[in-house]
Amino acid sequence: GEDVEQSLFLSVREGDSSVINCTYTDSSSTYLYWYKQEPGAGLQLLTYIFSNMDMKQDQRLTVLLNKKDKHLSLRIADTQTGDSAIYFCAEIPTSGTYKYIFGTGTRLKVLA
Amino acid sequence: DTGVSQNPRHKITKRGQNVTFRCDPISEHNRLYWYRQTLGQGPEFLTYFQNEAQLEKSRLLSDRFSAERPKGSFSTLEIQRTEQGDSAMYLCASSSRTGNYGYTFGSGTRLTVV
Repeated sequence: GEDVEQSLFLSVREGDSSVINCTYTDSSSTYLYWYKQEPGAGLQLLTYIFSNMDMKQDQRLTVLLNKKDKHLSLRIADTQTGDSAIYFCAEIPTSGTYKYIFGTGTRLKVLA
Repeated sequence: DTGVSQNPRHKITKRGQNVTFRCDPISEHNRLYWYRQTLGQGPEFLTYFQNEAQLEKSRLLSDRFSAERPKGSFSTLEIQRTEQGDSAMYLCASSSRTGNYGYTFGSGTRLTVV
């Protein structure tokens, strides 16, 4: 079945690194994504990774993919108060469409 | 282009009434999606259009729900005979043909059924 799991909460101090984890069950997923949602807003695409990659870095963001364990992580370096939001991982199962399966989201709180 | 636009931002309606939401995607995007998000959950897929063709509908989309994209541009989502369980944020997103590079989401329409 298709299911994406995330821990619900993460709290870090400003300037520290944050690591948000995600596990997925569809091993055939070829694209995996991280989205950010601020209160009352839609979702903003942060980054994505193809399944043939192990790591992708984009400024303060580093995505790690472990296909064997079906584990995806998002590391935010030098976390700022503006990074406080809900972070969703999402996959597109290779079912011939472009619909996403989203995780339940991880609420990141950055303490000043 | 200012991104994906959704109207209204908020809608409060009485149970049993019909409501309609509108989504204007990014103009060059041919794919359009509707998702529903309830409190504390990730978005759940409702339906998807490629141009004017509705290619997939979720089982969540009961017969009270209908979506259209008549000219392959804007889309509407109508809910008939609303129920309290329909209260949620309704999100629209669009993508280009190479949708694997991610969607652009609108800010959503928050529906409250009282």
